[in-house]
Amino acid sequence: DSGVTQTPKHLITATGQRVTLRCSPRSGDLSVYWYQQSLDQGLQFLIQYYNGEERAKGNILERFSAQQFPDLHSELNLSSLELGDSALYFCASSQQASGNTIYFGEGSWLTVV
Amino acid sequence: GNSVTQMEGPVTLSEEAFLTINCTYTATGYPSLFWYVQYPGEGLQLLLKATKADDKGSNKGFEATYRKETTSFHLEKGSVQVSDSAVYFCALSGMNYGGSQGNLIFGKGTKLSVKP
Repeated sequence: DSGVTQTPKHLITATGQRVTLRCSPRSGDLSVYWYQQSLDQGLQFLIQYYNGEERAKGNILERFSAQQFPDLHSELNLSSLELGDSALYFCASSQQASGNTIYFGEGSWLTVV
Repeated sequence: GNSVTQMEGPVTLSEEAFLTINCTYTATGYPSLFWYVQYPGEGLQLLLKATKADDKGSNKGFEATYRKETTSFHLEKGSVQVSDSAVYFCALSGMNYGGSQGNLIFGKGTKLSVKP
């Protein structure tokens, strides 16, 4: 158990809908990352937050957004969902913004039908 | 930009065979290198890491050496077990905001199946 908690574990929704994925980082970790794992794209970095502020942005679509709250948990919002958004979404955390080991949660499986 | 290339799978081995999974990288600066493992139905787990050239990371019988001259970080294990069946990802730390290392850049993963 990495200490990173993600909910829900599985989610099925229809095209055009909006979903929110939630992540609680390891105790004491200030940095949260979101990754997308799909069959065709592999593991892609989406976005990083550090202590409530956006720190780095990767291949995140404009339809997607994220935030980190004062209690350090994070949410990833996916809107106007398309079939191609079906993937495993990982949250990860680390103590600082850089230079530390990154620990991953078990992921949230999103299926768009 | 930074990238990681690892050997395509799947790799199928018999129990107690020797394992090598090749990983090479392209990066500016001096990234840290990692191997993560994903067991069936589970999330990613850090297997080992190396933070500078010639460092050797090791864990659970797996080893990898950071070779700057060949830009490689090959994963090896002398005797694999059925329980090692998983997908293995090579990764390097990304560079952002003034050269600090934050997010990870992953290879495409190599699926290993070990038969009894």
